[in-house]
Amino acid sequence: DTEVTQTPKHLVMGMTNKKSLKCEQHMGHRAMYWYKQKAKKPPELMFVYSYEKLSINESVPSRFSPECPNSSLLNLHLHALQPEDSALYLCASSQRREYTGELFFGEGSRLTVL
Amino acid sequence: ELKVEQNPLFLSMQEGKNYTIYCNYSTTSDRLYWYRQDPGKSLESLFVLLSNGAVKQEGRLMASLDTKARLSTLHITAAVHDLSATYFCAVDVGINDMRFGAGTRLTVKP
Repeated sequence: DTEVTQTPKHLVMGMTNKKSLKCEQHMGHRAMYWYKQKAKKPPELMFVYSYEKLSINESVPSRFSPECPNSSLLNLHLHALQPEDSALYLCASSQRREYTGELFFGEGSRLTVL
Repeated sequence: ELKVEQNPLFLSMQEGKNYTIYCNYSTTSDRLYWYRQDPGKSLESLFVLLSNGAVKQEGRLMASLDTKARLSTLHITAAVHDLSATYFCAVDVGINDMRFGAGTRLTVKP
């Protein structure tokens, strides 16, 4: 099974809402990532969890809150977002320890903030 | 600051033609990856290059890595419409740290 599953695929939320994006992988990978991608731009790293511990937080605003409940699951909690946060949010996982290694991406969650 | 530069950023090709996309990076790394992204879709891994001189081929695409020159190339042979997509190179700079180039948007025209 070489799949990373993200839900929901599409999400529309108001600026006062609280929502969550979910990501699951069953490849035994111990590193999981959240990337944000705006249209016609490359993915931008937001957070990295390694062995279920937050290892990288790329100065992301606190309205984004990651959570890694176990080695297979990764959540991104959203609260009080701004319209400029509308983007494709990509989850990825990798199996290497000593370096990043090949990233396996989910299909993404397309977020629209009204 | 690490820079990963791709060129060209936009490429319009005729079917049947050959072309090369370049990826230059500014830090020491011998691990580089190529990804493909179709419009509205996620990223799909194409090639994993893990040493100097590595060459990988899949169909009409061939990727290579020169770590001394800090350069990777993605060569397209006899392009077909199905290759139209955005191609990203990404440099592995350490534990859980992957940096992407800006992407090359390829359009193959009949």
